[in-house]
Amino acid sequence: SQTIHQWPATLVQPVGSPLSLECTVEGTSNPNLYWYRQAAGRGLQLLFYSVGIGQISSEVPQNLSASRPQDRQFILSSKKLLLSDSGFYLCAWSRGTGGSNTGELFFGEGSRLTVL
Amino acid sequence: AQKITQTQPGMFVQEKEAVTLDCTYDTSDPSYGLFWYKQPSSGEMIFLIYQGSYDQQNATEGRYSLNFQKARKSANLVISASQLGDSAMYFCAMSAGNTGGFKTIFGAGTRLFVKA
Repeated sequence: SQTIHQWPATLVQPVGSPLSLECTVEGTSNPNLYWYRQAAGRGLQLLFYSVGIGQISSEVPQNLSASRPQDRQFILSSKKLLLSDSGFYLCAWSRGTGGSNTGELFFGEGSRLTVL
Repeated sequence: AQKITQTQPGMFVQEKEAVTLDCTYDTSDPSYGLFWYKQPSSGEMIFLIYQGSYDQQNATEGRYSLNFQKARKSANLVISASQLGDSAMYFCAMSAGNTGGFKTIFGAGTRLFVKA
């Protein structure tokens, strides 16, 4: 069976510090990978998605970057955090295109980031 | 541009009664999928139900059904026989095919409160 795990679960960081959130998927190959951010009481905003190693698409201009060094690893980073980067970050995967793929997303547990 | 609209920030329902959560969408892509996800207070995102744009029948999954009205571009979620454990945020989402993968956008969500 497939699993997705992201860490850390909770992070409190000062403004201007770096960030690294990591996400790994097991039990599937060549997944589509996603990073979403959810502000308090709001919907999910798509930040980045990736359809393969080294292929990253950014949805919104921002202070963050993403990388996919391995097929099932997705990393969200920042060199210098801003207060506005605070939020709940969710990693997700979906099956690659083709076949009966519906595009259903499978989410990680989430990482709550507070920038002070 | 693709868009998902959920106009009900909060809804109350009596336990054991049915409730409808509204969702409208907009896309120019003829092929798309519609989803509903549940987010309990723990933060995890749980997939509930899926409807494909070419599906003739409304999707059902246990107590969940999706009232798909293509001409109106609506995809309302109906929860029958509400339970206390149904209290959560509910998100409507849409994915449309694009080159090389899928992108899913979410509505702002509806918070459902089930009263005993």
